[in-house]
Amino acid sequence: QVQLVQSGAEVKKPGASVKVSCKASGYTFTNYDINWVRQATGQGLEWMGWMNPNTGNTGIAQKFQGRVTMTRSTSITTAYMELSSLRSEDTAVYYCARSDYGDFKVWGQGTLVAVSS
Amino acid sequence: DIVMTQSPDSLAVSLGERATINCKSSQSVLSSSDNMNYLAWYQHKPGQPPKLLFHWASLRQSGVPDRFSGSGSGTDFTLTISSLQAEDVAVYYCQQYHDTLFSFGGGTRVEIK
Repeated sequence: QVQLVQSGAEVKKPGASVKVSCKASGYTFTNYDINWVRQATGQGLEWMGWMNPNTGNTGIAQKFQGRVTMTRSTSITTAYMELSSLRSEDTAVYYCARSDYGDFKVWGQGTLVAVSS
Repeated sequence: DIVMTQSPDSLAVSLGERATINCKSSQSVLSSSDNMNYLAWYQHKPGQPPKLLFHWASLRQSGVPDRFSGSGSGTDFTLTISSLQAEDVAVYYCQQYHDTLFSFGGGTRVEIK
């Protein structure tokens, strides 16, 4: 079945970087964009950006430009999201999601990233 | 960027009663090329990823109960739960995908009165 499986929880210090992975299976990886969405504690869903696994092209929300890098490995059907210069406000659950036309039907299980000194 | 604004922030509704959630976009999400509204609704429960309820503003996903309905066009949209059930307690979000850069509304928490 179609699924996205994310890497495990991370604890990072302020100023560090984190790289979350999202392994796709059950469909042709290069046919659908992968998006990243986060939910900080007590906050709503926040869209971070998309990546086209076929071309590697990305579209990043203005808030995260310069701090977020989205990449992929087509050989292992895995997408990655790296967030740098972490601060406490980046403590959140990060989700990857497959977009069909821009709506997100398939989601990963979520990855908790905690930023603490 | 398109800003999505939901109202109310939260609402408490008695079991079996109607719940109505509003979503307004700062620009139209109606495409002139295909006459489709590029808007989705999600249900989000704690400890789970969000669940897509509707895309194209009003097209219900398979398995979503028909007590849920989506409506609206252009800049104003509504998600309605016609008869609230206990399992509908969740936070609901609208999301636009008209722009190259997507965005969510702030969410509406639905609780039982």
